[in-house]
Amino acid sequence: ETGVTQTPRHLVMGMTNKKSLKCEQHLGHNAMYWYKQSAKKPLELMFVYNFKEQTENNSVPSRFSPECPNSSHLFLHLHTLQPEDSALYLCASSQEPGTSYGYEQYFGPGTRLTVT
Amino acid sequence: KQEVTQIPAALSVPEGENLVLNCSFTDSAIYNLQWFRQDPGKGLTSLLLIQSSQREQTSGRLNASLDKSSGRSTLYIAASQPGDSATYLCAVEGNTPLVFGKGTRLSVIA
Repeated sequence: ETGVTQTPRHLVMGMTNKKSLKCEQHLGHNAMYWYKQSAKKPLELMFVYNFKEQTENNSVPSRFSPECPNSSHLFLHLHTLQPEDSALYLCASSQEPGTSYGYEQYFGPGTRLTVT
Repeated sequence: KQEVTQIPAALSVPEGENLVLNCSFTDSAIYNLQWFRQDPGKGLTSLLLIQSSQREQTSGRLNASLDKSSGRSTLYIAASQPGDSATYLCAVEGNTPLVFGKGTRLSVIA
């Protein structure tokens, strides 16, 4: 266990559905991240939050909407997704984001999303 | 734009062998480099983090080296075991958050 939990672990949704992914970290970290892992592609950063404020949006389509109500919780709201959005979505946290000191990132187990 | 390449893409070795995984990156202005392990369908587990000022880090049978000027890192695994079978990912952090390679899929055969 890394101290980062994600729910649900598996999700199947139609293109017209609205769903949300949840991430919670129990490490007292200030930064949280959403990543997308597709088959045969490198892990892609989607969003970064630092102290509840979004500091990075890596050109993610608006059908993905993040929410960070506090430094321990991170959500990814999904609506009108496409089949190519099917992937493993990983949440991570670190003490601080991207400083020259370089804090380790701790990952959750991921949510396997299938869009039909 | 930072790009990370890992070679080989897949590797199969008999149990007990020592092996080396390679990682290269295009922009040497990094803060740190991190090696992760990922089991099928699971999240990532951090193995080693090397600061830009460091040359290597060791943890048990794992040793990671960093040559920032040439944009290269290696992960050395000693006396490999079947439990080491997984995908190993290299990631670098610079002015942008972590940029990952595609990984090396390792199989250790008993």
